[in-house]
Amino acid sequence: AQKVTQAQTEISVVEKEDVTLDCVYETRDTTYYLFWYKQPPSGELVFLIRRNSFDEQNEISGRYSWNFQKSTSSFNFTITASQVVDSAVYFCALSEWGAQKLVFGQGTRLTINP
Amino acid sequence: NAGVTQTPKFQVLKTGQSMTLQCAQDMNHEYMSWYRQDPGMGLRLIHYSVGAGITDQGEVPNGYNVSRSTTEDFPLRLLSAAPSQTSVYFCASSYGTYNEQFFGPGTRLTVL
Repeated sequence: AQKVTQAQTEISVVEKEDVTLDCVYETRDTTYYLFWYKQPPSGELVFLIRRNSFDEQNEISGRYSWNFQKSTSSFNFTITASQVVDSAVYFCALSEWGAQKLVFGQGTRLTINP
Repeated sequence: NAGVTQTPKFQVLKTGQSMTLQCAQDMNHEYMSWYRQDPGMGLRLIHYSVGAGITDQGEVPNGYNVSRSTTEDFPLRLLSAAPSQTSVYFCASSYGTYNEQFFGPGTRLTVL
């Protein structure tokens, strides 16, 4: 069965610090997709990234970067030089090939203090 | 494109009442789903549909019914509301679970 664990319930840092959000997943499938979504205080859910299980290249998008390591079943998300606007709840999610279900982690509430 | 729309945005029910949460999308997505969001629990899948006429249960289906008569609409029915169903409900659509999910703005439901 597919499972996603985000062990960090809440993180609080000062602006401009780097911060890493952890995501550990469980799956018996060899083909699967991993996602990150952001939920700002306004409540909507915003897609950030998708990664398939055959692509272990790290991804960088501006201040955001993602580290996918199949050996440790992790898909961690790093924000460099954090800003107050990065304050949100971040969700990691997993979809196994053929499962037709997307499973979310519990979410990490990130607070960036000025 | 309106994307994914949900109505109502807020709702207060009494225990035992029934209601339908509406969800519609105009992106011609085959896959649609309903999630509930509770503090510390993340988003949990209630029901999903892979196309018109096809629905299936997710992780927490008890107390909810769905139907999918058209590609655009995927309503969620609460048969007899209970306080445990107090939550924020999100509808989502996509080309499939391997693709980006487009979420509606959510419905905040309180059951007294």
